[in-house]
Amino acid sequence: AQSVSQHNHHVILSEAASLELGCNYSYGGTVNLFWYVQYPGQHLQLLLKYFSGDPLVKGIKGFEAEFIKSKFSFNLRKPSVQWSDTAEYFCAVYGGSQGNLIFGKGTKLSVKP
Amino acid sequence: KAGVTQTPRYLIKTRGQQVTLSCSPISGHRSVSWYQQTPGQGLQFLFEYFSETQRNKGNFPGRFSGRQFSNSRSEMNVSTLELGDSALYLCASSLGTQSDTQYFGPGTRLTVL
Repeated sequence: AQSVSQHNHHVILSEAASLELGCNYSYGGTVNLFWYVQYPGQHLQLLLKYFSGDPLVKGIKGFEAEFIKSKFSFNLRKPSVQWSDTAEYFCAVYGGSQGNLIFGKGTKLSVKP
Repeated sequence: KAGVTQTPRYLIKTRGQQVTLSCSPISGHRSVSWYQQTPGQGLQFLFEYFSETQRNKGNFPGRFSGRQFSNSRSEMNVSTLELGDSALYLCASSLGTQSDTQYFGPGTRLTVL
């Protein structure tokens, strides 16, 4: 069965530090890739997505992600985090025989002011 | 445009009972997906409905069922509740498929005693 792995359960950073959250998936065919974010007390919302084309995609609030097909990875990055980036981040993959959106278990990011 | 709404927001049930949760998608959205969110398993896909038809189903027992009405509103039902069914149940709507941006509701927090 297809799966999505997020390497870190909880990441703690100070403001202005750089962020990279890992995401790997198991399916080898054509996929659509997503990062969703859940801020405290808010609904899950889309941060960015990749369907095709430039493997470096930019999302809201200065986030970007790079699709590396050979590594089955879609890592999320931000050069300088802010306290307001404190949230839980979910990687998701759509594609393959299952035909549904599969989420990773999430990474909780805590940013210290 | 109003967002995705879910009712009720909180439910407490006892083992063996059944429960029905409701989801109203964003106007114009025809796809409604349901997810179960727990701390240990993250977001797990339950099922997706499109134009009143179940298009896809996750790996959950038959006690979990759903339906979609002609106005795209959706309900999910869990019969013979078990303690392990305690979770946050999220509904998401999108224009066409799960590869479109998913707009999530606030969820229904179900506690089974």
